[in-house]
Amino acid sequence: GDSVTQMEGPVTLSEEAFLTINCTYTATGYPSLFWYVQYPGEGLQLLLKATKADDKGSNKGFEATYRKETTSFHLEKGSVQVSDSAVYFCALFSGSARQLTFGSGTQLTVLP
Amino acid sequence: KAGVTQTPRYLIKTRGQQVTLSCSPISGHRSVSWYQQTPGQGLQFLFEYFSETQRNKGNFPGRFSGRQFSNSRSEMNVSTLELGDSALYLCASSLGTGRGFGTEAFFGQGTRLTVV
Repeated sequence: GDSVTQMEGPVTLSEEAFLTINCTYTATGYPSLFWYVQYPGEGLQLLLKATKADDKGSNKGFEATYRKETTSFHLEKGSVQVSDSAVYFCALFSGSARQLTFGSGTQLTVLP
Repeated sequence: KAGVTQTPRYLIKTRGQQVTLSCSPISGHRSVSWYQQTPGQGLQFLFEYFSETQRNKGNFPGRFSGRQFSNSRSEMNVSTLELGDSALYLCASSLGTGRGFGTEAFFGQGTRLTVV
């Protein structure tokens, strides 16, 4: 079945540091890939998405590129801010499963 | 455009009781999916409803059920509550049709259920 493997956390960075959160997936066919963010006490917010190979999703300075050859969708940001502190989830949607499959989440803390 | 609304935000129930959670999707969205989030198991898919029909179901016991009304609002019910049912229950709203099905899922803030 479908699965998402996400970099273990927690991750602690200083403000303005570079962020990478690794995500790899296993799925049949050609899934759509997503990064969601969850702030304390809140639901999930869609951060960015990519629906086909080599697509780059981007939003609020975050980027991720759909790499079919390495089955990866790593999240990056060049300069993190304290307000980026949250839990980040990598997810996929495949037509065969017809549901979102999530990674385990990565807690990011950014210190001033 | 109003977002996805889940009620109530917090619930405390006793073992053996039953509970009903509600989700109002974004206007025009016909698909509602439910997910359970726990520290141990992460985010797990419960079921999806589209046009009042359950279209997909995850691997949960029959105590977990749901329904969808003609206005696309959805409810999920958990009967005979167990301590392990304590979780954040999230509802996701989407158009539910075509390739866009998997690309436009918007989540509510969730209902935090505590079973004591």
